[in-house]
Amino acid sequence: QKEVEQDPGPLSVPEGAIVSLNCTYSNSAFQYFMWYRQYSRKGPELLMYTYSSGNKEDGRFTAQVDKSSKYISLFIRDSQPSDSATYLCAMSHGGSQGNLIFGKGTKLSVKP
Amino acid sequence: EAGVTQFPSHSVIEKGQTVTLRCDPISGHDNLYWYRRVMGKEIKFLLHFVKESKQDESGMPNNRFLAERTGGTYSTLKVQPAELEDSGVYFCASSQVSGQNYGYTFGSGTRLTVV
Repeated sequence: QKEVEQDPGPLSVPEGAIVSLNCTYSNSAFQYFMWYRQYSRKGPELLMYTYSSGNKEDGRFTAQVDKSSKYISLFIRDSQPSDSATYLCAMSHGGSQGNLIFGKGTKLSVKP
Repeated sequence: EAGVTQFPSHSVIEKGQTVTLRCDPISGHDNLYWYRRVMGKEIKFLLHFVKESKQDESGMPNNRFLAERTGGTYSTLKVQPAELEDSGVYFCASSQVSGQNYGYTFGSGTRLTVV
């Protein structure tokens, strides 16, 4: 079983739609949960991070972590064509262990 | 603030040749990481430097890969000899604080193709 599972999509939505992206994980030791956005031919760019369980909101983006279900989500409200990218979830144990465990990424396309 | 710089952006080499990738982290960032994405797979951790010391090299695939960070500034990742399965995108990231798992800045990557 992979440590992090993420549906690669692709996911296509019309402009203005609410987008829901999800990852599941198996390792209960993960404490930091992140969402990265990656445009074509670019490196991943941090969008949101959450420590432990809970919700976090930043503009049109909301990240949710449910540690009891080992499930994390990213919601994008009022999606824009500029949101078209690959979205990667990533997790880590925290502390001195610096390495991130990534999902495969979900390719999102927002159509005007 | 300049970002993380990687070069070359692309490299095509023949099997058996040697390739050296370079990463310049953000100035002042003591922590430098190498990751790799092989086609169809997840981005995977290779190793972590704190200044010039290797903090964690558990993700290095085999001894054909050698990473260095002399002087604690830029880092190089050498693959010698390259094999077909080494093809992929190699990302470098840096962060200021150890254990700040959310504070990474990634470079744009080096796309390596071994033919």
